Amino acid sequence: GQQVMQIPQYQHVQEGEDFTTYCNSSTTLSNIQWYKQRPGGHPVFLIQLVKSGEVKKQKRLTFQFGEAKKNSSLHITATQTTDVGTYFCAGGYQKVTFGIGTKLQVIP
Amino acid sequence: ETGVTQTPRHLVMGMTNKKSLKCEQHLGHNAMYWYKQSAKKPLELMFVYSLEERVENNSVPSRFSPECPNSSHLFLHLHTLQPEDSALYLCASSDGQGRSRQYFGPGTRLTVT
Repeated sequence: GQQVMQIPQYQHVQEGEDFTTYCNSSTTLSNIQWYKQRPGGHPVFLIQLVKSGEVKKQKRLTFQFGEAKKNSSLHITATQTTDVGTYFCAGGYQKVTFGIGTKLQVIP
Repeated sequence: ETGVTQTPRHLVMGMTNKKSLKCEQHLGHNAMYWYKQSAKKPLELMFVYSLEERVENNSVPSRFSPECPNSSHLFLHLHTLQPEDSALYLCASSDGQGRSRQYFGPGTRLTVT
């Protein structure tokens, strides 16, 4: 069945450092979605990428969709303590499958 | 976001109890989902309803029984649960099933004793 792998599972960074999480699929995806879950909260939609090679930015967050539509990345520039949480990618073709998530800790 | 609400927010139940989780969406969506979130595991999709019809059941044990009486409400009936069923149960909805973005409720933190 369709699998969506996400690495790393955990990441500790010093405030101000950059952070990247990667998402890989065993099959071609029609789209990729990214969600953020704050500690004690629920997943909240961040963005959706649809086109091969697509790059989108939201302030300090940069999202990329691979040319083959099998991988994606989320990069945060100059992390802040408000970036703490778990970042999930979710992709699929007929349906959406979630990755295990990357838990980000930011050390002030 | 208050588009998707879930009650109760916390639930402690014994293995012989019967309880129900409730989800309500105010977004006019036609697809609703139940997920289980346990520590160190991916979000596990349990059930999908589209236009009030169950379209997906991911090998969930029969002690979990979903019900979707209309497009705005979704229930998860629980009976004779096991301690390993303790988890955060998340409800979500979307406009169209499959690849649409999902809106999650706050979840019900379930503890089975």
